Amino acid sequence: SQKIEQNSEALNIQEGKTATLTCNYTNYSPAYLQWYRQDPGRGPVFLLLIRENEKEKRKERLKVTFDTTLKQSLFHITASQPADSATYLCALAYGNNRLAFGKGNQVVVIP
Amino acid sequence: NAGVTQTPKFQVLKTGQSMTLQCAQDMNHNSMYWYRQDPGMGLRLIYYSASEGTTDKGEVPNGYNVSRLNKREFSLRLESAAPSQTSVYFCASESGQEETQYFGPGTRLLVL
Repeated sequence: SQKIEQNSEALNIQEGKTATLTCNYTNYSPAYLQWYRQDPGRGPVFLLLIRENEKEKRKERLKVTFDTTLKQSLFHITASQPADSATYLCALAYGNNRLAFGKGNQVVVIP
Repeated sequence: NAGVTQTPKFQVLKTGQSMTLQCAQDMNHNSMYWYRQDPGMGLRLIYYSASEGTTDKGEVPNGYNVSRLNKREFSLRLESAAPSQTSVYFCASESGQEETQYFGPGTRLLVL
């Protein structure tokens, strides 16, 4: 069966350190993968998209890697700040413009 | 631009009641989506509409119907609400070219 796995345990990290989140998937062949941020009581907000032929993508303090052999994406927040505290969702593209979402991984940045 | 708007923000229903969740987008996007989000389950696709006049089932369509009224609006109807439909419902839209989805603020539904 198809699965998208993100760590269910919250990641507590000291301000200024790099937070790294993992997204593993099985039985998908996504043309691209996305990461979203979700704050409590709000809808997800798009952060980054990485395609199957790209190894790495950066945007400001965010970096995403995509390894289609390992079926894994890593999401990094460098120099983390308390404002980065949120839940981060991994999403895989499938079918006709559809996304399958992971359950999300909460990040708590401690000042 | 308001982006994606949803009404109502919060609703309490009794089992068996019906209601329609409204969604509108002002970004001229072709595709629209309805998701539900439950604790420990993540976002699951209920229905989507790739373009005006078309709708397709997603992962969890049972108990729901949708209408793509025009390019802007995509509504979700619960004909006979059940406690299992207690959830947070999100509408999203996508241009089809950007390949990113824009989400509304959500509707919190409680079915007693």
